[in-house]
Amino acid sequence: GQQLNQSPQSMFIQEGEDVSMNCTSSSIFNTWLWYKQDPGEGPVLLIALYKAGELTSNGRLTAQFGITRKDSFLNISASIPSDVGIYFCAGLTSGTYKYIFGTGTRLKVLA
Amino acid sequence: KAGVTQTPRYLIKTRGQQVTLSCSPISGHRSVSWYQQTPGQGLQFLFEYFSETQRNKGNFPGRFSGRQFSNSRSEMNVSTLELGDSALYLCASSLDAAIEAFFGQGTRLTVV
Repeated sequence: GQQLNQSPQSMFIQEGEDVSMNCTSSSIFNTWLWYKQDPGEGPVLLIALYKAGELTSNGRLTAQFGITRKDSFLNISASIPSDVGIYFCAGLTSGTYKYIFGTGTRLKVLA
Repeated sequence: KAGVTQTPRYLIKTRGQQVTLSCSPISGHRSVSWYQQTPGQGLQFLFEYFSETQRNKGNFPGRFSGRQFSNSRSEMNVSTLELGDSALYLCASSLDAAIEAFFGQGTRLTVV
């Protein structure tokens, strides 16, 4: 099935460090969403982006809708142990009514 | 306000059986989407419903079907279960498909 490229695939970081991850596509999207998923649970929405170039924050999280509309970035500042989990990006093209999800970035935070 | 509710949370079925999963969206949300999540394929789109109409369907065999009721609740059905259908089935609701979508906790289906 179709998936977006997310990188890095996984990362270990020290508590307090900043984290960056990105998502790229060969297609143009009109909406980008970022989710966090804990084991055995459904994804939880973190940030929604609707406009090319848009920069949106949610607490320690900041995400950007790429200018080309083919990519998006998520930054987490001053990571804490509860940031552990898998982060997914999702893109949608208007009129398709379906989100395409990224391959996920697994984050592990060392206290 | 209540989130997206999926029932049951866990299900074990035998090959060849059929299964029905249920999703109650957030109150006021009319769009419901279903996704299959497996370790190998990630999150894959199954179908999306809006006001009881299926607007898009993913690349899954005809054994996977769904419907939406007038109260926006949705069900998906998988007939003639195969071992490869074992997955976490997730439902997402939104006011409409182009905006933020909220997921339920999922139904973990195991086919033995």
